[in-house]
Amino acid sequence: DTGVSQNPRHKITKRGQNVTFRCDPISEHNRLYWYRQTLGQGPEFLTYFQNEAQLEKSRLLSDRFSAERPKGSFSTLEIQRTEQGDSAMYLCASRPVTGMAGNTIYFGEGSWLTVV
Amino acid sequence: GENVEQHPSTLSVQEGDSAVIKCTYSDSASNYFPWYKQELGKGPQLIIDIRSNVGEKKDQRIAVTLNKTAKHFSLHITETQPEDSAVYFCAASRGGSYIPTFGRGTSLIVHP
Repeated sequence: DTGVSQNPRHKITKRGQNVTFRCDPISEHNRLYWYRQTLGQGPEFLTYFQNEAQLEKSRLLSDRFSAERPKGSFSTLEIQRTEQGDSAMYLCASRPVTGMAGNTIYFGEGSWLTVV
Repeated sequence: GENVEQHPSTLSVQEGDSAVIKCTYSDSASNYFPWYKQELGKGPQLIIDIRSNVGEKKDQRIAVTLNKTAKHFSLHITETQPEDSAVYFCAASRGGSYIPTFGRGTSLIVHP
């Protein structure tokens, strides 16, 4: 079990540029979540996948944000035309299919985005 | 949707003291309540969880209690140590997608 892996860990970009983050979940976890966390706040839900299907999206996920999980394994989160308000840590998490631990989501270390 | 309130926002204790963090939730259908610890620059790590069919759960120095009627749940840390210093988040979720809604966090500082 190598844990949830996120890349890149840090990204500094100019306003208006596009950025993409990648998440590799724990193997055999078919559920994958993206959250956003700003300084002094708790994680806020963005979107949720079960296998390759995107089942829920938050109102926070504006049309500049898009997430994919094409083969039901890794996922990408793209932000187009970045704004300074997008500066945050983007967290990915995954959850196993069933079992006693089936309710628990496990987070990666996050990807820090700074928009200048 | 679910709303989770967490108090206090900051908690400062002396090493060896106990620490208590309290949360309330709004959705009576929530049935799973995890607690996460987040250290600076890292992702949240699960430390303990409780399901709605249980009133209390303990794991060494950490315990969690749940009052479903009042929609309250609390984290108790006994014999605190400096390495317990971190931000702690409570969360609530319901069956199906189990998408947790988080509180705003409590910054726990344990002074040696």
